[in-house]
Amino acid sequence: KNEVEQSPQNLTAQEGEFITINCSYSVGISALHWLQQHPGGGIVSLFMLSSGKKKHGRLIATINIQEKHSSLHITASHPRDSAVYICAVAGSQGNLIFGKGTKLSVKP
Amino acid sequence: GAGVSQSPSNKVTEKGKDVELRCDPISGHTALYWYRQSLGQGLEFLIYFQGNSAPDKSGLPSDRFSAERTGGSVSTLTIQRTQQEDSAVYLCASSFSGKAYEQYFGPGTRLTVT
Repeated sequence: KNEVEQSPQNLTAQEGEFITINCSYSVGISALHWLQQHPGGGIVSLFMLSSGKKKHGRLIATINIQEKHSSLHITASHPRDSAVYICAVAGSQGNLIFGKGTKLSVKP
Repeated sequence: GAGVSQSPSNKVTEKGKDVELRCDPISGHTALYWYRQSLGQGLEFLIYFQGNSAPDKSGLPSDRFSAERTGGSVSTLTIQRTQQEDSAVYLCASSFSGKAYEQYFGPGTRLTVT
């Protein structure tokens, strides 16, 4: 079993839809990261959180430490949100353990 | 300010040759991480530096892989006697410290071993 599980693996949405990507982990963590990777592009850190909820524009990330679960929400999705979204948990020394990613495609 | 930079951006090498990949972290960042993303695979951790020391080398896939960091800044990842399975994008990230700090990623080096 992978230490970090993401769902769904692939997601297609229509522009404007509300999107949720889920992440469950089985290891103790100091923090959880949500990353975004555009096709052929680099990786951008969207959020780092260790408790509660964070919001940045149309993006919202939540984490439940007791349940070892996090969600990334995108409100009013747009085609430019199309990317791979990666959940990663920080190990004991900060090194990241990655989920396999969720490939999001938002159609106009 | 300047972000994490990596060089070269692309490297094509013949099987059996040695390669060196360079990472320049954000100034002041004491922690530096190397990751690898193989084609069709997820990201995997390779090695972590805190200052010049590498307390965690657990992710290095074989003894052909080594890394060093000098002056608490630039890091070099060396792959000796490259194999085709070494083909991947090698990513570097840095942060102010380890543990629960935001990591900033470089653009990566795409290595192709022919």
